[in-house]
Formats: sequence, structure tokens, C-alpha cells
Amino acid sequence: QVQLVESGGGVVQPGRSLRLSCAASGFTFNSNAMHWLRQAPGKGLEWLALISDDARTTYHADSVRGRFTISRDNSKNMLYLQMNSLRTDDTAVYYCARDDSGLHWGQGALVTVSS
Amino acid sequence: DIQMTQSPSSLSASVGDTVTITCQASEDISHYLNWHYQKSGKAPKLLIHDASSSQTGVPSRFRGSGSGTDFTLTITNVQPEDIGTYYCQQYDNLYTFGQGTKLEIK
Repeated sequence: QVQLVESGGGVVQPGRSLRLSCAASGFTFNSNAMHWLRQAPGKGLEWLALISDDARTTYHADSVRGRFTISRDNSKNMLYLQMNSLRTDDTAVYYCARDDSGLHWGQGALVTVSS
Repeated sequence: DIQMTQSPSSLSASVGDTVTITCQASEDISHYLNWHYQKSGKAPKLLIHDASSSQTGVPSRFRGSGSGTDFTLTITNVQPEDIGTYYCQQYDNLYTFGQGTKLEIK
């Protein structure tokens, strides 16, 4: 069945970097655009970034543009989010999602930015 | 940026009730609206896409409607397993979520 499994979360100090990964299976990965989204503790959902199926086009939310970068490796069925210059307000559960007549979510990975 | 305004922010219903959640876009988004459901501590799940199309496996008591700027999610015959938070999300211009509506059972 379709699976999206995020990894790479953890505790990181402010100003440092972290890369999240999302392993996709159960569908034709290179046929779907993919997204990263997040949810801060006790807060709502926030869209972060989109990458096209062929990786040629990306969009990033204003809140992370210039600090976060979405990428993918279709040969490995992997999606990535490179997060630089992390701040305490980046603390959240980060989700990858498949775009197929709507967003289909992974289970999430917790990132905690704290000194 | 397109803003999405959901109401109410919370509601309490009895089992068997019908509840309605509304979502208003700050500009015309045609039918480019999805509804998601999140149980506490779990990942969100897509319920409705394209304003009114139910995702496979979603019970028929969930119905989405609307177009343009005004949208509605109606849950008929509310069940205990429906408790959680519901979010609308537009995709006409990038992606924006409403602030969520928390459903509780009386």
C-alpha cells in the first residue's frame, strides 16, 4: 500500500542545520508532485514547500524561503527537506505529502529546535 | 496570499447530530478546496477534495459543498470516532489552511 515515512527529525540547536527525508513506496513516485508541511505544538497546519514530479519546479512558503530547500531523488523514491539556520519557532512535526487529487500525508517527524 | 477563515473554531455535538463547518476564502478559489481531518496525536487525513469529492473510504455522512469563496463541510449522524480537528485548505494559489475546527462529543 502507499507509504510515506519521514526520518531525520530530532533535537537541534538554533542556527544549526537538519535534513529530513521521506521514503515513498506503493505508488509511482515520479508521477506525483510532493510537499512538505508542518504543525507547531498545539497549532494548525502550515504548508512549506512543493516540488514537481520531475523536480524541475519548486515553490517555498515565505516563512522558510531562503532557509529551507525541498528536493527529490526519483531514482531512490526519496523526498528531502534541507533546513538551515533553524530557529526555535521551527519546532514542529514535519510531514511529507503526496499530491494526488489532494494531499496524502505521511506519519510525521518531530523536529525540536532548542539550546 | 489567500486567507482561509474557518468557523466555528470549536463545536460540541451529540451522537446522531448534524454539524456544519464553514470555510471562507479571501478571494475566489473556484472549487480548489480540500478538507482534512486530524485525530489528536495523529497525522492529518484527506476527507474531501475539489470541494465536494469524497476520498475513497470516507463515510458517506461527510459531505463537502461550495464554490468561489464559501464552502461547507457537513457531517450528518455524528459518531464518536468523528472527534478531532477539521481543516479546510485551498490550492488555487499555492496552499493555505484554515485555522481548524475542533469537534467534541457532548
